[in-house]
Amino acid sequence: GNSVTQMEGPVTLSEEAFLTINCTYTATGYPSLFWYVQYPGEGLQLLLKATKADDKGSNKGFEATYRKETTSFHLEKGSVQVSDSAVYFCALSGGGGADGLTFGKGTHLIIQP
Amino acid sequence: DAGVIQSPRHEVTEMGQEVTLRCKPISGHNSLFWYRQTMMRGLELLIYFNNNVPIDDSGMPEDRFSAKMPNASFSTLKIQPSEPRDSAVYFCASSVQQGGNQPQHFGDGTRLSIL
Repeated sequence: GNSVTQMEGPVTLSEEAFLTINCTYTATGYPSLFWYVQYPGEGLQLLLKATKADDKGSNKGFEATYRKETTSFHLEKGSVQVSDSAVYFCALSGGGGADGLTFGKGTHLIIQP
Repeated sequence: DAGVIQSPRHEVTEMGQEVTLRCKPISGHNSLFWYRQTMMRGLELLIYFNNNVPIDDSGMPEDRFSAKMPNASFSTLKIQPSEPRDSAVYFCASSVQQGGNQPQHFGDGTRLSIL
């Protein structure tokens, strides 16, 4: 079945540092890939997505590229802010599995001023 | 636009009681999903519906759990009888249509505590 593996953290960075959160997946076929963000006490919000190989999703300075050869979808941001502190989830759907999302365990990101 | 609306936001009840969680999806969305989030297991899909019909309930943990979607604007997740290990945050999400490439929109969740 489908699975997603991501670094769990917590990841602590200083403001304006470069961010990378690794995500790799296992799926049959051609899944769609997503990054969601969860702020304390809230539901998940879609951050970005990519639906086919070599697509790059981007939003709010975050980027991730769908790499089929390495089955990866790493999240990056060039300069993080304190307001980026949250839990980030990598997820996939489709690709021979059900339409529901399969999530990684989540990465808790803490940005210090 | 109103997002996905869940109620209640918090529920505390005693073991053995029936619990009903409610969800109103975004108007026009045809797919609805129920997830459970715990520290140990992370986010897990419980069940999802397309056009009010249950498509995959393989994630429902036990017969104590049931879900219904009587119409396009309302769904319930029921636990009867509840147990302490059911304590978790339960999320409802909806998307425009069936298909893995459609983003899902999440409600703020129901935090359930079973004593």
